[in-house]
Amino acid sequence: QKEVEQDPGPLSVPEGAIVSLNCTYSNSAFQYFMWYRQYSRKGPELLMYTYSSGNKEDGRFTAQVDKSSKYISLFIRDSQPSDSATYLCASSGTYKYIFGTGTRLKVLA
Amino acid sequence: DSGVTQTPKHLITATGQRVTLRCSPRSGDLSVYWYQQSLDQGLQFLIQYYNGEERAKGNILERFSAQQFPDLHSELNLSSLELGDSALYFCASSGLAGANTGELFFGEGSRLTVL
Repeated sequence: QKEVEQDPGPLSVPEGAIVSLNCTYSNSAFQYFMWYRQYSRKGPELLMYTYSSGNKEDGRFTAQVDKSSKYISLFIRDSQPSDSATYLCASSGTYKYIFGTGTRLKVLA
Repeated sequence: DSGVTQTPKHLITATGQRVTLRCSPRSGDLSVYWYQQSLDQGLQFLIQYYNGEERAKGNILERFSAQQFPDLHSELNLSSLELGDSALYFCASSGLAGANTGELFFGEGSRLTVL
């Protein structure tokens, strides 16, 4: 079992839709959770960084962590074609960050 | 721009050869991480250095090695290259030590093609 699991997609939505991206993790020791956006052939860009359970909002993006169910979510409101990218979730534990395989998102104009 | 610099951006070489990838972390960051990203595998953690010392190892092959120098730049050496080593290699840096509680910033990657 992978320590962080993520549906690879692809996920296609119309412009303006609310997008929900999800991950699960297995290691209870993970306390820090991140979402990265990666455009094709580029380095991952940090979008959201959260600690423990709860919500964090930044503009159109909301990250949610539920440690009781080991579930991580990223919501994108009013999605734009420029949001089309691969979204990677990550969890950090002792001496390592573990990434999901990424979900490809396409926002259609 | 994340502040993490990787060279070369692209590299094409033949099987059996050896290459060196270089990474300069963000100014002030002491931790450097190396990741491999291939189409089917996602980001695979290879190795971490903190202030010149190896801190953690992931799925790094014995043919691969790395080091972090006193000026904090790091190099990843890949030897006896095989076709399956073709991938994007990312370096990332963090300002915090081995507890991995800090934000991780990535470079643009080095794309290695082994023919």
